[in-house]
Amino acid sequence: AQSVSQHNHHVILSEAASLELGCNYSYGGTVNLFWYVQYPGQHLQLLLKYFSGDPLVKGIKGFEAEFIKSKFSFNLRKPSVQWSDTAEYFCAGARNAGKSTFGDGTTLTVKP
Amino acid sequence: DAGVTQSPTHLIKTRGQQVTLRCSPKSGHDTVSWYQQALGQGPQFIFQYYEEEERQRGNFPDRFSGHQFPNYSSELNVNALLLGDSALYLCASSFGLAGGYYEQYFGPGTRLTVT
Repeated sequence: AQSVSQHNHHVILSEAASLELGCNYSYGGTVNLFWYVQYPGQHLQLLLKYFSGDPLVKGIKGFEAEFIKSKFSFNLRKPSVQWSDTAEYFCAGARNAGKSTFGDGTTLTVKP
Repeated sequence: DAGVTQSPTHLIKTRGQQVTLRCSPKSGHDTVSWYQQALGQGPQFIFQYYEEEERQRGNFPDRFSGHQFPNYSSELNVNALLLGDSALYLCASSFGLAGGYYEQYFGPGTRLTVT
């Protein structure tokens, strides 16, 4: 069965700290991977996506993620977080046009 | 350019009742997917509509049904509501079913509370 797991349920960082949120997937064959962000009171927004090619993908707001096939991982990173990055982050996987399978999310709190 | 819109924003229903939620996709999109997001969990796929037909379905009972209209808008219907159906219901739209690129745009959701 297809699954996506996120390692951390809640992460607390100080401003300017570096961020890495873990995501592992279990899919047979080709998979598209995504990170979404949900800011307080707002809807899910796409941060970045990986379909193929360069395993290091860059998204909006300085976020990036690295697809490591051998580890079935797609971790999200940001070198220096800001208070405005406080949000919930979801990793998701999908086949070309099929359903997306989401992890349970990581709540990031950035202290000013 | 309007994004994905959903109505209503909030809804309170009683056990055993039926509910209909509505979604209008982003302009230019023709595929609509519905997700259920329970508190503290990630969204779970309910089903997907394309060309007015249900194309894929997740692990949800037949009490959950849907419809897509010629203008690509969609409805989610839930019959015989249970307390466990209380959740945020998300609609996501995308373009087409074929091809390597598949990017969904999500609406703000409908918060359903079953009492």
